[in-house]
Amino acid sequence: AQSVTQLDSHVSVSEGTPVLLRCNYSSSYSPSLFWYVQHPNKGLQLLLKYTSAATLVKGINGFEAEFKKSETSFHLTKPSAHMSDAAEYFCVVTFDQTGANNLFFGTGTRLTVIP
Amino acid sequence: SQTIHQWPATLVQPVGSPLSLECTVEGTSNPNLYWYRQAAGRGLQLLFYSVGIGQISSEVPQNLSASRPQDRQFILSSKKLLLSDSGFYLCAWSVQNSYNSPLHFGNGTRLTVT
Repeated sequence: AQSVTQLDSHVSVSEGTPVLLRCNYSSSYSPSLFWYVQHPNKGLQLLLKYTSAATLVKGINGFEAEFKKSETSFHLTKPSAHMSDAAEYFCVVTFDQTGANNLFFGTGTRLTVIP
Repeated sequence: SQTIHQWPATLVQPVGSPLSLECTVEGTSNPNLYWYRQAAGRGLQLLFYSVGIGQISSEVPQNLSASRPQDRQFILSSKKLLLSDSGFYLCAWSVQNSYNSPLHFGNGTRLTVT
């Protein structure tokens, strides 16, 4: 069965320190993986995506994620947190099958940045 | 470039009143279209998706319905709202027949049923 798990519902970091948001997936197919960010009362914005090319993916706003097949993980990182990074982050996975309804959302991680 | 418009941004409606939320996409043809709901402090719940005009798939039995009268127009409706319909509604589109196409979201509608 296909699924995605965000291991932390809430992460709190100090401004200027590294950010790590964890995501693991379960699948018997080849996955494509995405990270989205959602600021309060806004839609979800695509941060980055992995689609079987380079395993280290760079996204917008200084974020990057590394696909590790052996660990079935796709953790999101940023070297130095900024106050504007405070938001909800969603890990999303889709699998190698066509169809409109093949996306699986994690339950989200709320990132708090302490000044 | 592609854009997605969703309106209204906020809506306060009494219980039992009708609902119509509209979403349009520009700059692309024949997209997959989606309606999601996000309850307070919770993840996203897929409500409906559509792969073409007049083709609607419902994921959750409920008080809501969706229609796609035109290729790039997706409407979410209800005849009689319930308190439990309150939430944040998001429209999204993706490229059809591309399994790794990301979703592109609108800015959402905050619905409060009183």
